[in-house]
Amino acid sequence: EAQVTQNPRYLITVTGKKLTVTCSQNMNHEYMSWYRQDPGLGLRQIYYSMNVEVTDKGDVPEGYKVSRKEKRNFPLILESPSPNQTSLYFCASRPGLAGVETQYFGPGTRLLVL
Amino acid sequence: QKEVEQNSGPLSVPEGAIASLNCTYSDRGSQSFFWYRQYSGKSPELIMFIYSNGDKEDGRFTAQLNKASQYVSLLIRDSQPSDSATYLCAVIPGNQFYFGTGTSLTVIP
Repeated sequence: EAQVTQNPRYLITVTGKKLTVTCSQNMNHEYMSWYRQDPGLGLRQIYYSMNVEVTDKGDVPEGYKVSRKEKRNFPLILESPSPNQTSLYFCASRPGLAGVETQYFGPGTRLLVL
Repeated sequence: QKEVEQNSGPLSVPEGAIASLNCTYSDRGSQSFFWYRQYSGKSPELIMFIYSNGDKEDGRFTAQLNKASQYVSLLIRDSQPSDSATYLCAVIPGNQFYFGTGTSLTVIP
């Protein structure tokens, strides 16, 4: 089954404690991205990656890091989380720049930073 | 200025009626337009995409695009309670998706 998986699905943490949210896809997609979703602000792209070792900033990259060492994985790293990073996070993948109509979203990770 | 604007609703329609959802976008260079449905607590799922001016129909869903007016809409015919969700409009001006904040739709049995 084609899917994007994220872990953990729910996370409560404290300010400043480093955390990583993993994302993995089994479709051999080149393009992966991270979004955050906040009430009244919609889905906003944090980072994206067009292929292994190629990453770029989206609209709201501050406070986040990513890496793309393998095609299937695209972890999101919060080095020093702050309460304003409390949000619902989605990882997404698609075949490439051209495969926009086959973008798959992961199930989401709900993060609360105290 | 927001890239994509949607009326947040909530929009309520009776079962069997037509639901009309609207979206405007700011970048005239946008070439690809999408409608996603998102149930509460779930991830967005693509229901329609449209690239050319005019209408595109898929079952009970019709997407309408007017590039001159920078306007894209989604019509849902014969609305069902299972259509109750938030509908997200998205556009791609370059290679990045820009989403609207979504319109909440409730279909009343």
